[in-house]
Formats: sequence, C-alpha cells, structure tokens
Amino acid sequence: NAGVTQTPKFRVLKTGQSMTLLCAQDMNHEYMYWYRQDPGMGLRLIHYSVGEGTTAKGEVPDGYNVSRLKKQNFLLGLESAAPSQTSVYFCASSQGQGWNSPLHFGNGTRLTVT
Amino acid sequence: ELKVEQNPLFLSMQEGKNYTIYCNYSTTSDRLYWYRQDPGKSLESLFVLLSNGAVKQEGRLMASLDTKARLSTLHITAAVHDLSATYFCAGPRGSSGGYQKVTFGTGTKLQVIP
Repeated sequence: NAGVTQTPKFRVLKTGQSMTLLCAQDMNHEYMYWYRQDPGMGLRLIHYSVGEGTTAKGEVPDGYNVSRLKKQNFLLGLESAAPSQTSVYFCASSQGQGWNSPLHFGNGTRLTVT
Repeated sequence: ELKVEQNPLFLSMQEGKNYTIYCNYSTTSDRLYWYRQDPGKSLESLFVLLSNGAVKQEGRLMASLDTKARLSTLHITAAVHDLSATYFCAGPRGSSGGYQKVTFGTGTKLQVIP
C-alpha cells in the first residue's frame, strides 16, 4: 500500500526556472493538500483540493499553481522559481468527510532555488 | 484565524524521565491533532483528539485536550531514545469537517539522550 507518493524527492532550480511536483495517492481520498515546511515555521498550507477538478488557495499561495485533473493526483507548479521558494514541500491527503480524518503525508520534496 | 503555539520548541531530556509538551491555540476548536516527524522524514499522525476532555495513549505517549483552556498536552513517560523526533500539534481552521484546513504549530524537537 503506497499511500501518498511524491516525485521528485530532490530538485535544484535556478531562479526563474519552472517545475512541477507530482503527488499521487491510492487511498481514494477526496481531499489533497500541498504544504511547505520551513525551519521554525511549522507547515504552511499552499493550496488544497476538495475533489477532482477543484482547487483553492491556502495560506501562502503566491508563486504557485495547482491542478487536480484526476482524483488521485495533485500537481504543484512553480512557474518562475525564486530563492524564497527554497523549502521542503509535503503533499497530504485526507478522507475529509468525517471528524476523525488526520492527514496522510508523502515523504516530501526538498527544493533548492539558487 | 486559528493560531497554534507549542512550547517548548526544543527539549533535551534523559532516558527514563517524564516531560510534557504544551500546545495552546487561539480560537475555539473541538479537534486537535498530534503528528510526529522523524529527521528527514515525513509526518505521521499520532493522535486525533475529538472532544473536550479527550485522552489518548499509545505506549509512552499520552495526549489530552482541554477545549475550555484551549490547551492540549503531550505527555512523555519514561522517555526512550526512539521517541526522539519533532512533534507537531495542529488544529482545524474550519468549523466543521470536510474543508479540513489545519494550522500547524511550529513543532517541538525532542531529543532523548541515552
């Protein structure tokens, strides 16, 4: 049971380059999320999705775009990377409908923008 | 908007000792989550506390929730080295299930010294 899978695990970009992070979940979860983790700041929500074909902004959406064309996949795009986007990115999913629905996280993508 | 504060931010303790991590949150919430993150790894759900007075225990960890005081605690009993990790508490930003955006605390890095 793979759970939540993120690719790639590591990436180095130059300022201005673009890239897409892929998140796939096999738990049939409706809800998916992208977080970034920075030292001393916990996790901050970038974007989220409450179902196939839907996306919404989180706390820190600027500079990122997302798409959820298929229920199992949630893509995070950086159109023009900036050094401030150096971070560890986590995808998560949740069953979402009930009260007892913790987040299931992927293993993270470490992104460095130079 | 929900704000979540944890203390201490860093905790170094000897094996066999007891300690408590505190999680204060700023608005009314009847749910609180605890997650664990090992160094360089993803986050995994530890506890889901669903109501005032909820107490959950697993092994040497026990979590409780006091919604009136807006406080959750994670108590460590007779710490062992394997508990070394960063612990996050998180509360939901929405008022009901479904649109489950959560706000994470900054984390408590626990180091258990043999």
